[in-house]
Amino acid sequence: RKEVEQDPGPFNVPEGATVAFNCTYSNSASQSFFWYRQDCRKEPKLLMSVYSSGNEDGRFTAQLNRASQYISLLIRDSKLSDSATYLCVASGGGADGLTFGKGTHLIIQP
Amino acid sequence: NAGVTQTPKFRILKIGQSMTLQCTQDMNHNYMYWYRQDPGMGLKLIYYSVGAGITDKGEVPNGYNVSRSTTEDFPLRLELAAPSQTSVYFCASSAGVNYGYTFGSGTRLTVV
Repeated sequence: RKEVEQDPGPFNVPEGATVAFNCTYSNSASQSFFWYRQDCRKEPKLLMSVYSSGNEDGRFTAQLNRASQYISLLIRDSKLSDSATYLCVASGGGADGLTFGKGTHLIIQP
Repeated sequence: NAGVTQTPKFRILKIGQSMTLQCTQDMNHNYMYWYRQDPGMGLKLIYYSVGAGITDKGEVPNGYNVSRSTTEDFPLRLELAAPSQTSVYFCASSAGVNYGYTFGSGTRLTVV
């Protein structure tokens, strides 16, 4: 069974701090990885893709460790607007598409 | 820039009623998906389609049906609504199995 496991949190973090999430995936055949952001009562939205070499987009950095089958997301200088649920996602290799983790809830406190 | 459009946004159904949730995308994506998300829970795949005329069951298909007569449209049909189908329903599309999804804004359904 294809699974993506995440710590559900919540992570309570003061504004301006750095916070990191990890997730693990079970399907060694997964080819593509993503982080999605979901605000309360809204649809998930793509935050960033995760590449083998690691990638950065402003305050956000994503890393992939294929050997250990885990993905990480680092948020620097956190803002109040970063409060959301972050979904870790891995491709399943089949037509049924991506496998979503249940999400990590982040609360940025003033 | 419409992306994925879902209608209606909200609906209240009585037990035993039926309805169709509409989903349309304008990105010419072959792959389309229906998910449900219960409060505080993760996404569960109901049905998916890899192209017009082709559909398949996901993790939780019971009580639902789909059709895919065109590339753009992927409606989800609820027959004999039950309280257990109270949830938020998201439609998504993608260009392929290893591509990210674009989600619609969701349909919030309550069955009473």
